[in-house]
Amino acid sequence: DGGITQSPKYLFRKEGQNVTLSCEQNLNHDAMYWYRQDPGQGLRLIYYSQIVNDFQKGDIAEGYSVSREKKESFPLTVTSAQKNPTAFYLCASSQDRARYNEQFFGPGTRLTVL
Amino acid sequence: QKEVEQDPGPLSVPEGAIVSLNCTYSNSAFQYFMWYRQYSRKGPELLMYTYSSGNKEDGRFTAQVDKSSKYISLFIRDSQPSDSATYLCAMSDAGNTPLVFGKGTRLSVIA
Repeated sequence: DGGITQSPKYLFRKEGQNVTLSCEQNLNHDAMYWYRQDPGQGLRLIYYSQIVNDFQKGDIAEGYSVSREKKESFPLTVTSAQKNPTAFYLCASSQDRARYNEQFFGPGTRLTVL
Repeated sequence: QKEVEQDPGPLSVPEGAIVSLNCTYSNSAFQYFMWYRQYSRKGPELLMYTYSSGNKEDGRFTAQVDKSSKYISLFIRDSQPSDSATYLCAMSDAGNTPLVFGKGTRLSVIA
């Protein structure tokens, strides 16, 4: 069953703690993306990676970090430097350079900072 | 002026109505246009993908792009309660640059 999985579905974090969100895909897609969604704000790009061992900052990268050591995995770490981390986080992937725009999304992780 | 403008709604229509959802944009370099549907607390799913101007039809859904007016539309015919969701437009200027999303329009189809 091909697709994108994100875990956990819900995550609670105390202020000052780092937390890592998992994203895995078995679609053999080259590119992967992390977005943040807030009510009324649409999707905002945090980081993206078009190839293993390489990634680029998106519009709101401050306070976040990523790694891309394997093609199928793109974990996102929300650090204590992120001032307002409570949000819905979405991971996406796309097939190859010719089809980067056809992004497919995972089910999301809802992060709440207590 | 934001790059992509989308009326957030909410838009409420009776079952069976024709729904028109729209986005305007300012970047004339945009060539790829997408519509995503997002149910509450779920990830978006790709509905329609179009390149450049023109129409594309898929079942009850029609996507329309007017590059001269920098305006895109999604039409839903014979709307159903299962179409109740938030609809996001997205676009980009080349095949390997990040998408720019609208903020989404929340649609409710009332039985």
